Amino acid sequence: DIQMTQSPSSLSASVGDRVTITCRASQNINTYLNWYQQKPGKAPNLLIYAASSLQSGVPSRFSGSGSGTDFTLTITSLQPEDFATYYCQQFYSTPPVAFGQGTKLEI
Amino acid sequence: QVQLQQSGPGLVKPSQTLSLTCAISGDSVSSSTAAWNWIRQSPSRGLEWLGRTYYRSNWYHDYAVSVEGRITINPDTSKNQFSLHLDSVTPEDTALYYCAEGRDAFDIWGHGTMVTVSS
Repeated sequence: DIQMTQSPSSLSASVGDRVTITCRASQNINTYLNWYQQKPGKAPNLLIYAASSLQSGVPSRFSGSGSGTDFTLTITSLQPEDFATYYCQQFYSTPPVAFGQGTKLEI
Repeated sequence: QVQLQQSGPGLVKPSQTLSLTCAISGDSVSSSTAAWNWIRQSPSRGLEWLGRTYYRSNWYHDYAVSVEGRITINPDTSKNQFSLHLDSVTPEDTALYYCAEGRDAFDIWGHGTMVTVSS
């Protein structure tokens, strides 16, 4: 099965900062990778599909890139509502679906 | 738009069966393009996909190896819903359980049901 590893596991930043979160797959997954944002008490919310396609309604300060085994989620000009936990998820080889362990973005 | 409404008990005794239901509005459980999933989340295991059911002229099911043999996901076309049954639960099955729609990505989620396995 494909394993997904995110780094860092937690990250401190300030409003206005640019942050990058990394996700690495245990084997080549092309661009079959999604990113989710989860806020406390809420279900995860799909941000980016297929490595770089922004979901409708997601602010343009979010972007995704990468292919193969290495992927990044970048948030430019952090806003207060962006402090949350972020997860990657592969869909190259399913089942099973595999999620990363999450990156908690804190103020 | 598509909405998922979860229901089921929040407390299950060890060795018993965990049963949850996810009612669908705005789509059909028999949709030929949808897939209906159960995902759980716990501090120790993170987000863990458990399985899915979907209709493509026939009904299909996929399950995670970690729960295979204990899990059943069933569609109910008469009520437009799907269910999760997890047998022989242990405290390690304590988690927040979500239903979600999606084949490659999960863009619709239920609100989550916290299930505690305890005597």
